[in-house]
Formats: sequence, C-alpha cells, structure tokens
Amino acid sequence: DAGITQSPRHKVTETGTPVTLRCHQTENHRYMYWYRQDPGHGLRLIHYSYGVKDTDKGEVSDGYSVSRSKTEDFLLTLESATSSQTSVYFCAISESGRVETQYFGPGTRLLVL
Amino acid sequence: KQEVTQIPAALSVPEGENLVLNCSFTDSAIYNLQWFRQDPGKGLTSLLLIQSSQREQTSGRLNASLDKSSGRSTLYIAASQPGDSATYLCAVVSSGNTPLVFGKGTRLSVIA
Repeated sequence: DAGITQSPRHKVTETGTPVTLRCHQTENHRYMYWYRQDPGHGLRLIHYSYGVKDTDKGEVSDGYSVSRSKTEDFLLTLESATSSQTSVYFCAISESGRVETQYFGPGTRLLVL
Repeated sequence: KQEVTQIPAALSVPEGENLVLNCSFTDSAIYNLQWFRQDPGKGLTSLLLIQSSQREQTSGRLNASLDKSSGRSTLYIAASQPGDSATYLCAVVSSGNTPLVFGKGTRLSVIA
C-alpha cells in the first residue's frame, strides 16, 4: 500500500470554527489531491497540488484553502466550517499527474454541527 | 464538462456468477480510465488503469475494457466471491485540467 496517512481520522466541530486536515505521504510523489465524498455526489475534487507551493482549484473549492510547504505534506483548511462541509475527505497522490494511477488515503470523517 | 455515469447503482449476485459493471462518459477525449474498489469506511484501491490507446486490461479475475468512441467501459468480474463485495468506482482523466472525474459507483453484493 502507498504510504499515505490522514489526520485526524475523525473530527467533530462547530459551525464557524476553523479546521485543518493533514495529508502526509512517504512516496515522494509530486501530485497530491483533496477530494470530498458525499452520498448522491460521489467523489469531487476540492484542490490539488503539482509541486511544493503549486496548487490549483478543483470542482468544489469554495470555502476551502490548501497549502503545501513540503513535498510530503498537503494541508486542507476550512476557514470557517459550515454544515454543508460535513463529509468524508480523502487525500490522494500520484507520481506524475493525470496519466498515472492515484493512490488514496484512508479518509477523514468530518462532522460540522 | 465531463460526466461519468455508472449503472446499476447497486447489484446483488450469488457467489460464483460472472458479472459486468458498466461505466459511461460523455466526452470521448480522455487520457485514461481507471476502476477503483472501495470497501465500507475505507479509502479507494486502484484496480485497473486503461490508457486511451488501449482496449482492455486484465488483473486476475478482473478484466476492464474501453471503447472511447462510444464512451463506455466495462469491468468484468469472473467467478464472483463474497470478498468481492464492495463499491466499484469508475473515473476518467479528460484532456482538460481536471485530474479525475468519478462516477457515483456501483455497490456490489456477492451472496454466499
């Protein structure tokens, strides 16, 4: 299995509070991705990174920001959490972008009350 | 905008049966198509990756085919087992900037 960890694995927070999710990889892959998975919507891309300090928006980026200061770490921040951001968040990595397989982390379950 | 559809949404079969899962996509200009497996409460596991120049890929009891012109892919599972029970997701990489577009998945139950 690809070396991808996500922390925390579960989190309950209140509306309006900031939340940061962390993805850590040991594979030295260039590309990292954040997805959210919701019933009825499937997996949707939030943001992705194609190198240190290089990021771009995905399909559902509103309300989220990301940072990547090191190859191995990709942070997803909800500046002010809302109930609509209750979801399961998955991090993924790939070695060289869209022509390669993506490897997924175990996910973070976030509940915003 | 690329859209990926998987039918059926759920499927239940007896153990030992051969089965086919379907995936369709609206824009045939793709780089590749991938099939993933997701167990309940878990992340996704890549099963097969088909490049746009390929027609099919095989791994053990799994065979995935790709017909770009018709915008379709199938995942064939031979001699199904209870351990195959999971949700199977199809995803495509289009020629635009979006790295992966996922279908909503087919939830498979193999009954012993």
